[in-house]
Amino acid sequence: GNSVTQMEGPVTLSEEAFLTINCTYTATGYPSLFWYVQYPGEGLQLLLKATKADDKGSNKGFEATYRKETTSFHLEKGSVQVSDSAVYFCALWRGSNYKLTFGKGTLLTVNP
Amino acid sequence: SQTIHQWPATLVQPVGSPLSLECTVEGTSNPNLYWYRQAAGRGLQLLFYSVGIGQISSEVPQNLSASRPQDRQFILSSKKLLLSDSGFYLCAWASLAGHAPDTQYFGPGTRLTVL
Repeated sequence: GNSVTQMEGPVTLSEEAFLTINCTYTATGYPSLFWYVQYPGEGLQLLLKATKADDKGSNKGFEATYRKETTSFHLEKGSVQVSDSAVYFCALWRGSNYKLTFGKGTLLTVNP
Repeated sequence: SQTIHQWPATLVQPVGSPLSLECTVEGTSNPNLYWYRQAAGRGLQLLFYSVGIGQISSEVPQNLSASRPQDRQFILSSKKLLLSDSGFYLCAWASLAGHAPDTQYFGPGTRLTVL
């Protein structure tokens, strides 16, 4: 079946540090891949997505590249801000069952 | 543009009491609708999903149920709440007819505390 594995953290960084959150997946074919972000007390927001191999999703300074050869979709940001503190979820979608498969989430805390 | 609403935002209920949480979507037709629960920690658990009016698929057997009485309305219910039902309940929608059928959009959530 489909599965997503992401580093569980927590991850604590200083402002302006470089961020990487690793995500790998198991799925047949070519799933769509996503990063969602959840700020404290809120629902999930779509951060970025990629639908085919070598696609790069980007938004708000965050980037992730769909790597078919390594089945990975790592999230990166060159300089994090305190306002980036949140839980980040990696997810995949294979169209046959209408459902997203989520990783367990990574808590990021950015200190000033 | 599309928007998704959930209410109530917070709820405190005694053990054994009934539950009704509501989710409505605006600005789209015939969406897929989903209920998730986020219990202690951060993980998301899919509870139910619906691909049309009256069509409900259950992912986890428990004392919760879901209904879809209208195209853009999704209700989560329980006859008798358990302590373990406490959590953050999220509704989401996706549009198979749109340009991004793979993308789910989430509501603001309902925080349920069962005492």
